[in-house]
Amino acid sequence: AQSVSQHNHHVILSEAASLELGCNYSYGGTVNLFWYVQYPGQHLQLLLKYFSGDPLVKGIKGFEAEFIKSKFSFNLRKPSVQWSDTAEYFCAVKGGTALIFGKGTTLSVSS
Amino acid sequence: DTAVSQTPKYLVTQMGNDKSIKCEQNLGHDTMYWYKQDSKKFLKIMFSYNNKELIINETVPNRFSPKSPDKAHLNLHINSLELGDSAVYFCASSQGITTDTQYFGPGTRLTVL
Repeated sequence: AQSVSQHNHHVILSEAASLELGCNYSYGGTVNLFWYVQYPGQHLQLLLKYFSGDPLVKGIKGFEAEFIKSKFSFNLRKPSVQWSDTAEYFCAVKGGTALIFGKGTTLSVSS
Repeated sequence: DTAVSQTPKYLVTQMGNDKSIKCEQNLGHDTMYWYKQDSKKFLKIMFSYNNKELIINETVPNRFSPKSPDKAHLNLHINSLELGDSAVYFCASSQGITTDTQYFGPGTRLTVL
């Protein structure tokens, strides 16, 4: 069965710090990988996705993620976070018809 | 323009009641989904419909019944509500079944008292 593991439950950073959120998945076949963000009180929005091609994917708001097939990982990065990045971040895998989500990482950025 | 909309946004009700949540998408997508987000923010797929046909039905109590009158709508009806049904329910849609990005609605926060 597919599963997604997000290593960091709660990350606290100061503005301008660099961010890396870990995501590992378990699935034997071809996968599509996603990072979604949920700002406080809002719905999920797509940050970026990987289907194929260049394993370094750039998304909105300065976020990027790197797919490392050998490590079954899809870590999210941002070189310099802002207070407005405070949100819940979800990694998700799609190997069939449904998205399988990780348990989310809460990012708190202090100004 | 709203892509995926849900009504109501908040729903507070008593145990044992029956309630419905409506979802509509104006993206022209063929596939729609219902997800449940629990109090720990864990998101899990409940149902998926493709062209009005059920394609995913996870282990969900049969008190939950999705209904898709057409491709643009996927409503969720819940009978005999229980305390454990309290959660945020998200509707989503995608063009296809396999590789396409899913777009989420704003969520419906259901509170069962």
